[in-house]
Parts: sequence; structure tokens; C-alpha cells
Amino acid sequence: SQQGEEDPQALSIQEGENATMNCSYKTSINNLQWYRQNSGRGLVHLILIRSNEREKHSGRLRVTLDTSKKSSSLLITASRAADTASYFCATDEIQGAQKLVFGQGTRLTINP
Amino acid sequence: DTAVSQTPKYLVTQMGNDKSIKCEQNLGHDTMYWYKQDSKKFLKIMFSYNNKELIINETVPNRFSPKSPDKAHLNLHINSLELGDSAVYFCASSQRDRGRSPLHFGNGTRLTVT
Repeated sequence: SQQGEEDPQALSIQEGENATMNCSYKTSINNLQWYRQNSGRGLVHLILIRSNEREKHSGRLRVTLDTSKKSSSLLITASRAADTASYFCATDEIQGAQKLVFGQGTRLTINP
Repeated sequence: DTAVSQTPKYLVTQMGNDKSIKCEQNLGHDTMYWYKQDSKKFLKIMFSYNNKELIINETVPNRFSPKSPDKAHLNLHINSLELGDSAVYFCASSQRDRGRSPLHFGNGTRLTVT
């Protein structure tokens, strides 16, 4: 079953604006990861946040994690046309072998 | 110098046929995976191998058989293909002894069963 659920499913904004995507999950996790998928390509890892971290930055990306609410958000600041892609959160459950469980993704479109 | 490479990129075949997808990684990782992405973009793990040993085997029909000849390769063989097998199949790798590390994905194999 899918663990992560992204919200919204689709987001369209103007270039230069900020984009925020949310992810909710159900079980206890070791870490939560965000990936980007360009059309027709594989997923590319963006950022990993561990369960004991609350916020992490990488360039124009900011990720937050609230384990009490079992939710995470990905903020992309000053968006560019090249940011157009699908964004997925993936949870690494706390037990067992590493098995990332992905959500359905948010389709982000940046309009020039 | 592609890190995770899959072949073929596209595979169109008829129901009942048997087909294979190959995957190779040159990252020196010890763990490899097969994921399936359906038409609604859901991405679900199928198998995982660590140093050629199967460590994750999700509820996948036994028509799907992974094979790992060495830790740099993980192939997927599918027998008696069905319409519902149509999807994009992704290979991925990671380094397990670095803890829960990110996955590196190939560009996918789009399988269409007619």
C-alpha cells in the first residue's frame, strides 16, 4: 500500500514564485526523502531528512518534517522553468531492510 | 558514464511472451532494486538484492523472476506477459552499508503488452 500521499496532485505557478508541496505518511520512519522525476526519465534524489531533524536546506530547496503529524513539506523558492517535473516523497520505514515507499507525486508546472 | 543503465528503454510485446530487462550500475553499490511505476505514477517496490542475495520480495506474481549474477547487475525476467504488466519498470541502486542512503535510479523501461 502507498504510504506517502502528496498534496496537491498538480500545481501550476509562474516562474519566480515559490512552490510548496506536502506529503503525509502513516507509519514510523527512519527518514523521508524527496525525489524529482522529469518526463520520461528516472527519479533523481533531491534531499533526505532524518526522523530526528525538523528542517533541512539544499540550495533553493527547503524541507520540513513533523513526525508528530507524520507530514513533510518541500518548498522550492524562486522557481524556474527547469523545475517543471513531478516530485515524490518517499518514506524509509523504521524496521526491516531499506524499502522506500513512494507517494503518487505532485506534478509541478512552472509557467514562463 | 551513466550510473544506472537499463535496457531496453522501450519494450512492446504480445500477451503470453517472455521478456527480460537488464540493469547495470557502475557506482559500486551493494544493493539493487526493481520498482514498478503504473499509469497513475504510483511507484512500488518489487524486489531488492544485497550483494546478490534477495532481501525484499514484495507480493509480485511468480511470473517475475529477478536474477543478480553479480552485485553490479540485476535483471528482471517476466514470463507469460499479461496486459496488466504494462508499466514503466525502474532499476535503482544504493549503498547499504552507508546506512539508509538515497537511491540512484535508471531511466526506466516502458513495457507495453498488447
